[in-house]
Amino acid sequence: EVHLVDSGGGLAQPGGSLRLSCAASGFTFSSYGMAWVRQAPGKGLEWVSAIDGSTGTTYYADSVRGRFTISRDNSKSRLYLEMSSLRAEDTALYYCARAYYWYYFDFWGQGALVTVSS
Amino acid sequence: QTVVIQESSFSVSPGGTVTLTCGLNSGSVSSGYYPSWYQQTPGQAPRPLIYGTNTRSSGVPDRFSGSILGNKAALTISGAQAEDESDYYCVMYMGSGILMFGGGTRLTVL
Repeated sequence: EVHLVDSGGGLAQPGGSLRLSCAASGFTFSSYGMAWVRQAPGKGLEWVSAIDGSTGTTYYADSVRGRFTISRDNSKSRLYLEMSSLRAEDTALYYCARAYYWYYFDFWGQGALVTVSS
Repeated sequence: QTVVIQESSFSVSPGGTVTLTCGLNSGSVSSGYYPSWYQQTPGQAPRPLIYGTNTRSSGVPDRFSGSILGNKAALTISGAQAEDESDYYCVMYMGSGILMFGGGTRLTVL
Protein backbone atom coordinates (compact mmCIF):
# COMPACT_ATOMS: atom_id res chain seq x y z
CA GLU A 1 0.00 0.00 0.00
CA VAL A 2 1.32 3.42 -0.98
CA HIS A 3 1.99 5.80 1.90
CA LEU A 4 3.37 9.33 1.88
CA VAL A 5 4.13 10.98 5.21
CA ASP A 6 4.97 14.68 5.26
CA SER A 7 7.02 16.18 8.07
CA GLY A 8 9.18 19.17 8.98
CA GLY A 9 6.59 21.90 9.07
CA GLY A 10 6.59 24.59 11.72
CA LEU A 11 6.99 28.27 12.44
CA ALA A 12 9.65 30.28 10.61
CA GLN A 13 10.46 33.97 10.59
CA PRO A 14 10.27 36.02 7.41
CA GLY A 15 13.56 35.57 5.59
CA GLY A 16 14.15 32.29 7.40
CA SER A 17 14.49 28.71 6.23
CA LEU A 18 12.72 25.42 6.74
CA ARG A 19 13.10 21.91 5.31
CA LEU A 20 10.18 19.62 4.57
CA SER A 21 10.50 15.87 4.17
CA CYS A 22 8.20 13.26 2.68
CA ALA A 23 8.74 9.60 3.54
CA ALA A 24 7.44 7.26 0.87
CA SER A 25 6.64 3.56 1.14
CA GLY A 26 4.75 0.84 -0.72
CA PHE A 27 6.18 1.50 -4.19
CA THR A 28 9.47 1.75 -6.09
CA PHE A 29 10.26 5.36 -5.27
CA SER A 30 12.82 5.91 -8.03
CA SER A 31 10.28 4.98 -10.70
CA TYR A 32 8.06 7.98 -10.09
CA GLY A 33 8.25 11.70 -10.30
CA MET A 34 7.28 13.48 -7.11
CA ALA A 35 5.86 16.92 -6.44
CA TRP A 36 5.01 19.44 -3.77
CA VAL A 37 1.62 21.16 -3.81
CA ARG A 38 0.63 23.77 -1.26
CA GLN A 39 -2.59 25.28 0.02
CA ALA A 40 -2.69 28.58 1.88
CA PRO A 41 -5.32 28.78 4.65
CA GLY A 42 -8.76 29.01 3.08
CA LYS A 43 -7.31 29.15 -0.43
CA GLY A 44 -6.90 26.84 -3.39
CA LEU A 45 -4.19 24.42 -4.42
CA GLU A 46 -0.91 25.66 -5.90
CA TRP A 47 1.65 23.49 -7.66
CA VAL A 48 5.05 24.35 -6.19
CA SER A 49 7.73 22.05 -7.57
CA ALA A 50 8.40 18.62 -9.03
CA ILE A 51 11.35 16.30 -9.59
CA ASP A 52 11.85 13.46 -12.06
CA GLY A 53 12.32 10.00 -10.57
CA SER A 54 15.45 8.90 -12.34
CA THR A 55 17.10 11.97 -13.87
CA GLY A 56 16.46 14.24 -10.90
CA THR A 57 15.45 17.08 -13.22
CA THR A 58 13.64 19.74 -11.22
CA TYR A 59 10.88 22.21 -11.99
CA TYR A 60 9.52 25.16 -10.03
CA ALA A 61 6.60 27.56 -9.97
CA ASP A 62 7.61 31.17 -10.61
CA SER A 63 6.50 32.06 -7.08
CA VAL A 64 9.22 29.94 -5.46
CA ARG A 65 11.97 29.65 -8.10
CA GLY A 66 15.30 30.71 -6.67
CA ARG A 67 14.10 30.34 -3.06
CA PHE A 68 12.98 26.72 -2.83
CA THR A 69 14.96 23.60 -3.74
CA ILE A 70 13.38 20.20 -4.32
CA SER A 71 15.49 17.08 -3.99
CA ARG A 72 15.15 13.38 -3.40
CA ASP A 73 17.11 10.48 -1.95
CA ASN A 74 16.03 7.36 -3.82
CA SER A 75 18.04 5.13 -1.46
CA LYS A 76 15.91 6.36 1.44
CA SER A 77 12.64 6.82 -0.50
CA ARG A 78 12.48 10.41 0.66
CA LEU A 79 11.50 13.67 -0.97
CA TYR A 80 12.62 17.04 0.35
CA LEU A 81 11.77 20.69 -0.04
CA GLU A 82 14.36 23.16 1.20
CA MET A 83 12.68 26.54 1.65
CA SER A 84 14.66 29.74 2.17
CA SER A 85 13.97 33.49 2.08
CA LEU A 86 10.54 32.63 3.38
CA ARG A 87 7.71 35.15 3.06
CA ALA A 88 4.37 35.48 4.79
CA GLU A 89 2.69 34.33 1.57
CA ASP A 90 4.51 30.99 1.82
CA THR A 91 2.32 30.14 4.81
CA ALA A 92 0.44 27.03 3.73
CA LEU A 93 -0.15 23.33 4.14
CA TYR A 94 2.43 21.60 1.95
CA TYR A 95 1.50 18.24 0.43
CA CYS A 96 3.88 15.85 -1.24
CA ALA A 97 2.32 13.85 -4.04
CA ARG A 98 3.32 10.97 -6.29
CA ALA A 99 3.18 11.72 -10.00
CA TYR A 100 1.78 8.60 -11.67
CA TYR A 101 2.09 10.58 -14.86
CA TRP A 102 3.82 13.94 -14.74
CA TYR A 103 0.46 15.68 -14.85
CA TYR A 104 -1.43 13.32 -12.51
CA PHE A 105 -0.99 12.90 -8.76
CA ASP A 106 -2.48 9.62 -7.60
CA PHE A 107 -1.32 9.59 -3.98
CA TRP A 108 -0.93 12.48 -1.54
CA GLY A 109 0.60 12.94 1.88
CA GLN A 110 -1.36 14.36 4.77
CA GLY A 111 0.40 17.71 4.54
CA ALA A 112 2.93 19.65 6.62
CA LEU A 113 1.92 23.08 7.90
CA VAL A 114 4.37 25.92 7.38
CA THR A 115 3.72 29.24 9.08
CA VAL A 116 5.87 32.25 8.28
CA SER A 117 5.44 34.97 10.86
CA SER A 118 7.48 37.21 13.12
CA GLN B 1 0.76 35.29 -17.43
CA THR B 2 -1.52 32.31 -18.01
CA VAL B 3 -4.30 31.79 -15.52
CA VAL B 4 -6.49 28.70 -15.15
CA ILE B 5 -10.09 29.75 -14.55
CA GLN B 6 -12.83 27.85 -12.74
CA GLU B 7 -16.25 28.91 -11.52
CA SER B 8 -15.98 29.99 -7.89
CA SER B 9 -19.15 28.21 -6.85
CA PHE B 10 -21.94 26.08 -8.23
CA SER B 11 -25.00 24.36 -6.85
CA VAL B 12 -26.89 21.28 -7.93
CA SER B 13 -29.96 19.47 -6.68
CA PRO B 14 -29.62 15.91 -5.44
CA GLY B 15 -29.93 13.60 -8.44
CA GLY B 16 -29.21 16.43 -10.84
CA THR B 17 -26.42 16.91 -13.34
CA VAL B 18 -23.79 19.62 -13.12
CA THR B 19 -20.86 20.51 -15.36
CA LEU B 20 -17.90 22.38 -13.92
CA THR B 21 -15.47 23.97 -16.35
CA CYS B 22 -11.79 24.80 -16.47
CA GLY B 23 -10.52 27.33 -18.97
CA LEU B 24 -7.61 29.60 -19.74
CA ASN B 25 -7.52 33.38 -19.67
CA SER B 26 -6.04 33.21 -23.14
CA GLY B 27 -6.46 30.38 -25.58
CA SER B 28 -8.38 27.14 -25.65
CA VAL B 29 -7.94 24.02 -23.57
CA SER B 30 -7.07 20.91 -25.55
CA SER B 31 -6.16 17.37 -24.59
CA GLY B 32 -2.53 18.41 -24.82
CA TYR B 33 -2.96 20.21 -21.52
CA TYR B 34 -3.85 16.85 -19.91
CA PRO B 35 -6.54 18.41 -17.72
CA SER B 36 -7.08 16.55 -14.46
CA TRP B 37 -9.57 16.98 -11.65
CA TYR B 38 -9.39 16.61 -7.88
CA GLN B 39 -12.04 16.62 -5.18
CA GLN B 40 -11.28 18.03 -1.74
CA THR B 41 -13.39 18.04 1.39
CA PRO B 42 -12.45 20.15 4.45
CA GLY B 43 -9.44 18.87 6.34
CA GLN B 44 -8.61 16.23 3.77
CA ALA B 45 -5.95 15.86 1.12
CA PRO B 46 -7.18 16.14 -2.47
CA ARG B 47 -8.65 13.01 -4.00
CA PRO B 48 -7.92 12.33 -7.68
CA LEU B 49 -10.99 12.01 -9.87
CA ILE B 50 -10.10 12.38 -13.55
CA TYR B 51 -6.80 12.59 -15.40
CA GLY B 52 -5.75 13.13 -18.98
CA THR B 53 -9.08 14.79 -19.84
CA ASN B 54 -11.38 11.81 -19.34
CA THR B 55 -9.79 8.85 -17.53
CA ARG B 56 -11.36 8.08 -14.16
CA SER B 57 -9.04 7.38 -11.25
CA SER B 58 -9.29 4.07 -9.45
CA GLY B 59 -12.46 3.72 -7.40
CA VAL B 60 -14.16 6.85 -8.76
CA PRO B 61 -17.87 6.30 -9.47
CA ASP B 62 -18.91 6.49 -13.12
CA ARG B 63 -21.21 9.43 -12.38
CA PHE B 64 -18.02 11.52 -12.68
CA SER B 65 -16.82 12.12 -16.22
CA GLY B 66 -14.35 14.43 -17.92
CA SER B 67 -14.34 15.97 -21.36
CA ILE B 68 -13.42 18.96 -23.49
CA LEU B 69 -16.45 21.18 -24.06
CA GLY B 70 -15.85 23.94 -26.54
CA ASN B 71 -12.64 25.64 -25.46
CA LYS B 72 -12.64 24.36 -21.87
CA ALA B 73 -12.09 21.18 -19.90
CA ALA B 74 -15.19 19.97 -18.13
CA LEU B 75 -16.10 17.77 -15.19
CA THR B 76 -19.65 16.45 -15.26
CA ILE B 77 -21.37 14.87 -12.30
CA SER B 78 -24.49 12.98 -13.31
CA GLY B 79 -26.91 12.09 -10.53
CA ALA B 80 -25.23 14.24 -7.88
CA GLN B 81 -25.27 12.91 -4.34
CA ALA B 82 -24.96 14.68 -1.03
CA GLU B 83 -21.42 13.37 -0.56
CA ASP B 84 -20.37 15.15 -3.76
CA GLU B 85 -20.54 18.48 -1.93
CA SER B 86 -16.85 19.45 -2.04
CA ASP B 87 -14.29 21.73 -3.60
CA TYR B 88 -13.20 20.71 -7.08
CA TYR B 89 -9.88 21.67 -8.62
CA CYS B 90 -8.62 21.28 -12.14
CA VAL B 91 -4.95 21.27 -13.02
CA MET B 92 -3.32 21.54 -16.40
CA TYR B 93 0.09 20.81 -17.82
CA MET B 94 1.50 24.07 -19.21
CA GLY B 95 4.60 22.55 -20.78
CA SER B 96 8.26 22.60 -19.69
CA GLY B 97 7.41 20.53 -16.63
CA ILE B 98 5.09 23.15 -15.17
CA LEU B 99 1.58 22.53 -13.90
CA MET B 100 -1.04 25.04 -12.89
CA PHE B 101 -4.15 24.62 -10.75
CA GLY B 102 -7.35 26.53 -11.19
CA GLY B 103 -8.80 28.47 -8.28
CA GLY B 104 -11.31 25.74 -7.46
CA THR B 105 -15.10 25.45 -7.53
CA ARG B 106 -17.13 24.97 -4.38
CA LEU B 107 -20.03 22.67 -5.20
CA THR B 108 -23.12 22.73 -3.05
CA VAL B 109 -25.68 19.93 -3.28
CA LEU B 110 -29.07 21.18 -2.13
